[in-house]
Amino acid sequence: DTAVSQTPKYLVTQMGNDKSIKCEQNLGHDTMYWYKQDSKKFLKIMFSYNNKELIINETVPNRFSPKSPDKAHLNLHINSLELGDSAVYFCASSRREGPAFFGQGTRLTVV
Amino acid sequence: AQKITQTQPGMFVQEKEAVTLDCTYDTSDPSYGLFWYKQPSSGEMIFLIYQGSYDQQNATEGRYSLNFQKARKSANLVISASQLGDSAMYFCAMRGLSGAGSYQLTFGKGTKLSVIP
Repeated sequence: DTAVSQTPKYLVTQMGNDKSIKCEQNLGHDTMYWYKQDSKKFLKIMFSYNNKELIINETVPNRFSPKSPDKAHLNLHINSLELGDSAVYFCASSRREGPAFFGQGTRLTVV
Repeated sequence: AQKITQTQPGMFVQEKEAVTLDCTYDTSDPSYGLFWYKQPSSGEMIFLIYQGSYDQQNATEGRYSLNFQKARKSANLVISASQLGDSAMYFCAMRGLSGAGSYQLTFGKGTKLSVIP
């Protein structure tokens, strides 16, 4: 009964490839997020969705495209992967107030 | 705009002692929430404690307490009776409770806590 689950946990791929990370939450939350954690552990928001609608789209290359088919899912598709995309990507969800709960993270390595 | 500052990149504490991790914030939101998360070496983000800006009392959760001083814009985490398993990165975060600010958590850079046996 995992609250926020994202797959895969590890992703190793070559430059130029396209990849997707899936995220699902069973908490009934309205808001879902994608965060990127760099090598210095800094967490930066990429996208925020509320009830399937994009609310926040930070300065993220167009190669990153989130998709929310329903309130419980927020997937992240990345085109033409670059070396600099290597990071840990976290999905999270929350209600309007209260904490966000995070998935286990996806460690993306681009070689 | 929201900003979180954690000025301690690393901290050491003796096992069984208490430790305070500092966090200051800045926001234009009239009401907001403050959070602390723990990230052990295994990588997951674990929610520890929450404080609403309108709460009169400081939040507590087991060995964790949040020392909230609104006038000073600080939200320090106090861990009592430190255990070896407390060794981890600790992140302070905030979110507004209205408007666009309510749709993102802004994080500080984190403090790496090491508990010494």
